[in-house]
Amino acid sequence: AQSVTQLDSQVPVFEEAPVELRCNYSSSVSVYLFWYVQYPNQGLQLLLKYLSGSTLVKGINGFEAEFNKSQTSFHLRKPSVHISDTAEYFCAVTPNSGYSTLTFGKGTMLLVSP
Amino acid sequence: GAVVSQHPSRVICKSGTSVKIECRSLDFQATTMFWYRQFPKKSLMLMATSNEGSKATYEQGVEKDKFLINHASLTLSTLTVTSAHPEDSSFYICSATGSGGAADTQYFGPGTRLTVL
Repeated sequence: AQSVTQLDSQVPVFEEAPVELRCNYSSSVSVYLFWYVQYPNQGLQLLLKYLSGSTLVKGINGFEAEFNKSQTSFHLRKPSVHISDTAEYFCAVTPNSGYSTLTFGKGTMLLVSP
Repeated sequence: GAVVSQHPSRVICKSGTSVKIECRSLDFQATTMFWYRQFPKKSLMLMATSNEGSKATYEQGVEKDKFLINHASLTLSTLTVTSAHPEDSSFYICSATGSGGAADTQYFGPGTRLTVL
């Protein structure tokens, strides 16, 4: 079984500041990792994913994440946030051997203020 | 690519009626579809997984007779909330995974807000 921990339920940040949203996972098998963003009253949009290869993955809207196997982490970063980045961010994992269901973290609300 | 739509986006119904929500994959064949429920300020709760042409697999605690799922084609899955009650009010989101470029990733629909009066 897998579990995902998003350590921060809410992250307030000023516009144009850098941000890091933390995600740690636990799994007895190798996993694929994902970050999704959810704007109010909308579904989830895929930001980026790690399946294999380079541990630094770049996604949409200027976000990137780095897979660290030794620390079992997949933190999301953006060097300069915009007001429009205000949303809920979910980290998720699934075993990489045959598709299975996603295990989600509880989400981190990113609040960007002017 | 990998677009998933849901219809309706919002529905209000009276207690005791049934409501059908459609989930469609628009540009890929969805071999597997998932239905989630999301409570306010909470993460997603997986309700069931459905494979095209097969019966859905429900998560523990989800009433299969209340939440009927049909995945009759590779582009359409439906969730019917039968005899809805106010406690069924929630945000329902579907997702799909398929073949090719959509094989390793779940792509989500925009969600359906159900309000039962």
